[in-house]
Amino acid sequence: DAGVIQSPRHEVTEMGQEVTLRCKPISGHNSLFWYRQTMMRGLELLIYFNNNVPIDDSGMPEDRFSAKMPNASFSTLKIQPSEPRDSAVYFCASSLGSSGTEAFFGQGTRLTVV
Amino acid sequence: QQPVQSPQAVILREGEDAVINCSSSKALYSVHWYRQKHGEAPIFLMILLKGGEQKGHDKISASFNEKKQQSSLYLTASQLSYSGTYFCGTMKGGGADGLTFGKGTHLIIQP
Repeated sequence: DAGVIQSPRHEVTEMGQEVTLRCKPISGHNSLFWYRQTMMRGLELLIYFNNNVPIDDSGMPEDRFSAKMPNASFSTLKIQPSEPRDSAVYFCASSLGSSGTEAFFGQGTRLTVV
Repeated sequence: QQPVQSPQAVILREGEDAVINCSSSKALYSVHWYRQKHGEAPIFLMILLKGGEQKGHDKISASFNEKKQQSSLYLTASQLSYSGTYFCGTMKGGGADGLTFGKGTHLIIQP
C-alpha cells in the first residue's frame, strides 16, 4: 500500500481565497483524522471520521473550516476564506479505528496564506 | 485536555540515556508514542493500553502508570537516528477517538 496520500504537498494562497486539502487514507482503514501543526500550538486534532461519519469536530477552529468524507477512500478539508493565521502543516492520518491501533500519517500539506 | 510532556528539549551525546515524561489531568485509557523528524510525518513508536504495561523494541521502551496518569519513554544508549521530536498522545476512551498530542520533546543526539 502507498500509505496515506495527501495533496497538494505545498500550497501558497492569498488571504481570502478558498483552499481545499485532499486525503486518501489507507485502504481498509475506517478512521480518518485531520491534524494541524504549528510551532506555537503543536499537533492539534481538528476532526475525525469513523466509517465516513464525522464523530468529533470540536477541534475545528472556526466556521471557515469544513471537512467532508464522501466515501471510504477520500476526504477533504476546506478553508474559506483563508487567513494568514491558517498557515500551518496539515496532516491527515488513518487507522483501523480502535484505541489499540496505530495511526498512519500522510506527508502533510504545508499551507502558506499571504 | 492536552497531555503535558517534559522536558521540552534534551541534548545528549551518542550512547547516553534519556527519559521523556507524559502526564495527564484526566484518566488515561491508553498512551501512544510517536517520533517526528524535521519536515516529515510523525511515525508510530508504540501504544500502551493497560495500567502498568511496559513495552519496548530495540532500545526504546515505555511504561504506563494508570493511577498516576503518567507515561514515560526510555531511550537507552541513544543513537544519532533517535534525534527528533517525541510526542505522546492520549485518547479520551476506547473506540475510534482521535489522539490529543502533547507539545512534544525535542531530542538532539550529538556524536
